[in-house]
Amino acid sequence: NAGVTQTPKFRILKIGQSMTLQCTQDMNHNYMYWYRQDPGMGLKLIYYSVGAGITDKGEVPNGYNVSRSTTEDFPLRLELAAPSQTSVYFCASRPGKWSNQPQHFGDGTRLSIL
Amino acid sequence: AQRVTQPEKLLSVFKGAPVELKCNYSYSGSPELFWYVQYSRQRLQLLLRHISRESIKGFTADLNKGETSFHLKKPFAQEEDSAMYYCALEETSGSRLTFGEGTQLTVNP
Repeated sequence: NAGVTQTPKFRILKIGQSMTLQCTQDMNHNYMYWYRQDPGMGLKLIYYSVGAGITDKGEVPNGYNVSRSTTEDFPLRLELAAPSQTSVYFCASRPGKWSNQPQHFGDGTRLSIL
Repeated sequence: AQRVTQPEKLLSVFKGAPVELKCNYSYSGSPELFWYVQYSRQRLQLLLRHISRESIKGFTADLNKGETSFHLKKPFAQEEDSAMYYCALEETSGSRLTFGEGTQLTVNP
């Protein structure tokens, strides 16, 4: 298993551009998450999904959108990039509520908006 | 709403010294607590969880419900322990984690 795979690893955007951060997992996990990690701020939950077709807002959803059309994929969309969205983004997954497995994390996407 | 507090952003110790990373939480339900570790520019990895009651890489953590704490301890720190450590709380529904702000541990030779 590859686990949780995020692409790209690095990206530089101009203000106002849009992009999609990709996240895919091959573990057949139902739950998937997007976090952003800012220095001294820990990880903040942006959006999460408990299954295909279901998404919910986390702590900091503004400026982002997600979709979950398949179990494997959970892309994160930035429509109008702003400097405040410069961060490291982590995707994570776990089997589901019934499992005692913890969240598995991807390697992260380092995004800079200039 | 649940909250996780790690009061120390930076912690520096010498090799062989004991280390304790503090974590306090607030949650009205019955929480599950975790410690995650992130080595330089790597992904977050689970270090340990309170229900496992195990020791990983010499680290232990005990859930103290009275003090609402889940401090991480190691009796003899090693240089390879230098990393960012995050305490996290999982709410009863199991659907989401709340992370603390993290503690950057540096173990000096």
